[in-house]
Amino acid sequence: EPEVTQTPSHQVTQMGQEVILRCVPISNHLYFYWYRQILGQKVEFLVSFYNNEISEKSEIFDDQFSVERPDGSNFTLKIRSTKLEDSAMYFCASSELGRNNQPQHFGDGTRLSIL
Amino acid sequence: DQQVKQNSPSLSVQEGRISILNCDYTNSMFDYFLWYKKYPAEGPTFLISISSIKDKNEDGRFTVFLNKSAKHLSLHIVPSQPGDSAVYFCAASGASGGSYIPTFGRGTSLIVHP
Repeated sequence: EPEVTQTPSHQVTQMGQEVILRCVPISNHLYFYWYRQILGQKVEFLVSFYNNEISEKSEIFDDQFSVERPDGSNFTLKIRSTKLEDSAMYFCASSELGRNNQPQHFGDGTRLSIL
Repeated sequence: DQQVKQNSPSLSVQEGRISILNCDYTNSMFDYFLWYKKYPAEGPTFLISISSIKDKNEDGRFTVFLNKSAKHLSLHIVPSQPGDSAVYFCAASGASGGSYIPTFGRGTSLIVHP
């Protein structure tokens, strides 16, 4: 079964450094998403992406965050100047269409640790 | 703001018995509800969903019940198996005037004892 893959599985970065998290969505999916889960808390939506542009974003997704689809397969999340509170699991997801009855398929996540 | 609440952080059940996981929501614009299952070191996996036009949806051992007047849904697993041990997330979305992006609850950790 096709799956969403994320790299790296664990990223350790010094505060203030830039980090790029990578995702390869399922190939025939058109909608891509990033979520994060701070330890012990709920899964929070960050941003959705369709047709090479952001379609929706949450208030968490401020100017330090950006997303890009640099080629036909990768979908990246960049955090420009990391803060301690950015430490979390970051999940990428994709769906065939952006509708209610199209459940999102999640990757296994990247654990981001900011020191 | 917790628009989707899972008030039980954990649930322990004996193998073969029924597991009932509960979820409450506050936003009346939600019209689609999903359950995801998450094993350690893996991402959430879609399990089952229900539209607000229904009050029950069944898929094998998994049944989701929706009570719109109470803004409550539940996931029943019968019979429970040790492999069902995971964190279960309730999620809700609303296309009608809202967003199809699901809002997640904090999750309930289910442990099924052999």
